[in-house]
Amino acid sequence: GQNIDQPTEMTATEGAIVQINCTYQTSGFNGLFWYQQHAGEAPTFLSYNVLDGLEEKGRFSSFLSRSKGYSYLLLKELQMKDSASYLCAVRDNAGNMLTFGGGTRLMVKP
Amino acid sequence: DSGVTQTPKHLITATGQRVTLRCSPRSGDLSVYWYQQSLDQGLQFLIQYYNGEERAKGNILERFSAQQFPDLHSELNLSSLELGDSALYFCASSVGQISEAFFGQGTRLTVV
Repeated sequence: GQNIDQPTEMTATEGAIVQINCTYQTSGFNGLFWYQQHAGEAPTFLSYNVLDGLEEKGRFSSFLSRSKGYSYLLLKELQMKDSASYLCAVRDNAGNMLTFGGGTRLMVKP
Repeated sequence: DSGVTQTPKHLITATGQRVTLRCSPRSGDLSVYWYQQSLDQGLQFLIQYYNGEERAKGNILERFSAQQFPDLHSELNLSSLELGDSALYFCASSVGQISEAFFGQGTRLTVV
């Protein structure tokens, strides 16, 4: 099975940088995904890591360490619209199940 | 717009009833996933289909069932509904079994 842990809530200031951590314990691993979800809306894809290292995409970056079962999502130059839940998800070895963590609710304050 | 279409957007029904939720995946996507998200809860994986075949099963109740049709659209059937089944039900699709999944806007089910 999969066990995915993320902080429940975080608060940051507009213009700052925030790092959202995710740790996982899985029976198989075939990629880690980050999604953004505004309340009541569909999750939207942010990033994907399958190899160790940093993937950068504009203001968002995601890092993966497979040996440590650890990933983080880095958000730079925070904007008010970045207030949302950020979901870490792991795909199993068979490439089937995509299991989500409970999500981290980020509040960006002026 | 992710390209994944779910209908209906909202559904209100009584306990004990049965409903069917429908999902049309993005054009070309073979994999369909169903998730349940209760209020302030995370996404709970229910079931996955790939090209018409069931591939993975999560915490799906026996009262729930799903299928994927030859045209790749999928339906989630919920029966003997209980108050606790009230939730957002999301469908997602992906090209294969490695690529990212794209989510539909969800069906908000309210059981009264």
